[in-house]
Order: sequence, then structure tokens, then C-alpha cells
Amino acid sequence: NAGVTQTPKFRVLKTGQSMTLLCAQDMNHEYMYWYRQDPGMGLRLIHYSVGEGTTAKGEVPDGYNVSRLKKQNFLLGLESAAPSQTSVYFCASSPTSGRRRETQYFGPGTRLLVL
Amino acid sequence: GESVGLHLPTLSVQEGDNSIINCAYSNSASDYFIWYKQESGKGPQFIIDIRSNMDKRQGQRVTVLLNKTVKHLSLQIAATQPGDSAVYFCAEENSGYALNFGKGTSLLVTP
Repeated sequence: NAGVTQTPKFRVLKTGQSMTLLCAQDMNHEYMYWYRQDPGMGLRLIHYSVGEGTTAKGEVPDGYNVSRLKKQNFLLGLESAAPSQTSVYFCASSPTSGRRRETQYFGPGTRLLVL
Repeated sequence: GESVGLHLPTLSVQEGDNSIINCAYSNSASDYFIWYKQESGKGPQFIIDIRSNMDKRQGQRVTVLLNKTVKHLSLQIAATQPGDSAVYFCAEENSGYALNFGKGTSLLVTP
């Protein structure tokens, strides 16, 4: 049971390049999330998904797109990277049971540097 | 929007002492709170959670206290160890899907 995994661990992009960050979970969780973390700040939600085939915007969605084609995978795409997107990106997943909210489990993070 | 904040950005304690990390929240509708620990270069790790129908919850060496009257949350770590050195985040979940994180408190345990 690997939990939540993220690839790649680190990436350097030039402004305008595109890339996709992959998140995978093997816990059969319904909900998945993408956050970014900047120095001195907490995590901010980019996009999330409440199930396969569904996605929704979070607090800071601009410049990012996501897809949840399979329950276990949640992809975060940057179509045209900008220096402001330099950050550490964390994926998380959580189960759900009706109205009961459950803990989110986080991956190890992807460090992205946009030059 | 509503936000979760922390009273102190850094906290230094001696090994063996008890640590208390505080957190204030502003949304009275918040019904679920979580404490996370984040070590350098790693993702946040769940420590303990508490629901709004509780005032206190204990785990292994950790206790979370919730005071809904003043909208305050605290994490107590007993007999703090060097391995406890990390950034601690409180988070609230009231929208049903996402967590609203505070900015974090850095805990430094000195020998």
C-alpha cells in the first residue's frame, strides 16, 4: 500500500512550457485534491475532484487544468508555465462516507521551478 | 472568505517539555478540524482531528482542545522530542470538500 504518490519529484520549466503532474492513490478514495504551498504560507487549494470524471475549482485555479479519468489518478496540467507557478505542489486524497468528513492524506510533493 | 490563523509563527521548546501550538478560526460553522505535521521536504502528515461536537481529543502524546466559544484550537504535545521538530498546521473543513489551512507554526525542539 503506497498511499499517495506523485511524479515527478522535481522539475524545472522555462516560461511558456507545459507539463503534467501525476498523482496516484491506491486507497480507493473518492476525493482527490491538488494544493500548492508557497514559502511562509499554508496550502492553497487549486482544484479538487469528488469522484471519477468530476473536477471543480478551488481557491487558486487560474493557469491550471485537471483531469480525473480514473478513480486512482488525478492529473494537474500547466498549459503555459509562468514564474508565479514556482511552488511545491501537493496532492491529497480522502475517503468519504455520506456527510462524514474524513482526513486527507498527502503525497510527498512535487517541486516546480519555472524560469 | 473565512480563514484559519495561528498565533505564533515559531515556537522553541526544550526536549522533554510540553508544547502548545495555538490556532484561531473565524468561521463558527466550521465542524471539523485537523492538525498536520510537516517535516522539511515532505508532505503534511495527519496528527489528530476533532469534530465540533467534542471539546477534547487525545492521541499518543498529543491532545487537541477545541473551544468553540472563542473559536480557538490548540495542539498539545507531551514530552516533546527532537523528532517533533516540524511545521504544524491546523486546518478546518466546513465546505464539505476542501481544507482551509493556517500558515503554520514552526516548532523547534532544543536539547
